[in-house]
Amino acid sequence: NAGVTQTPKFQVLKTGQSMTLQCAQDMNHEYMSWYRQDPGMGLRLIHYSVGAGITDQGEVPNGYNVSRSTTEDFPLRLLSAAPSQTSVYFCASSPAGLARTGELFFGEGSRLTVL
Amino acid sequence: SQKIEQNSEALNIQEGKTATLTCNYTNYSPAYLQWYRQDPGRGPVFLLLIRENEKEKRKERLKVTFDTTLKQSLFHITASQPADSATYLCALTSGTYKYIFGTGTRLKVLA
Repeated sequence: NAGVTQTPKFQVLKTGQSMTLQCAQDMNHEYMSWYRQDPGMGLRLIHYSVGAGITDQGEVPNGYNVSRSTTEDFPLRLLSAAPSQTSVYFCASSPAGLARTGELFFGEGSRLTVL
Repeated sequence: SQKIEQNSEALNIQEGKTATLTCNYTNYSPAYLQWYRQDPGRGPVFLLLIRENEKEKRKERLKVTFDTTLKQSLFHITASQPADSATYLCALTSGTYKYIFGTGTRLKVLA
């Protein structure tokens, strides 16, 4: 099992460019989510999904889109990158029975810099 | 607004001692509280979960307490080792799919 795999690990964008951060898990987890981690802010929830075709917003969804067409994949799209989106992004998953109680499995992160 | 506070200053302790980290929260009624470990450049790793009706939970050298009256959790690592050096995050959920994370406390265990 690879667990939660995020790509790319590092990315530099110019303001206004678009890109997709990929997240894949091989544990058949129903719940998947995206967080951003900024210094002094802690992890903040961007979007989450409780199954294929079902997504919902978290605390900081503006500027980001998600979709969930398969159980395994949960990509995060930045439509028009802004410097304020410079951050480290983490994808996390959990089986349905644990998703409400809090045992999350995290990927290794994607570090994004927007110039 | 909902808020979690963890000591932002690093905690330095000698090897073999017990490390105690604090997580305080306000304006929230969590059903579950979790502790995670995060190493530099890595994703958080789940350590322990404690429910609102549990006072204490143990796992090997780790112990977590949860006081819903004080709105506080304490995380203890006994017989600490240099390998325990990391940032420790606490997180809360009320049983929904949304979590609130603290900023973490950096622990350094000195040999």
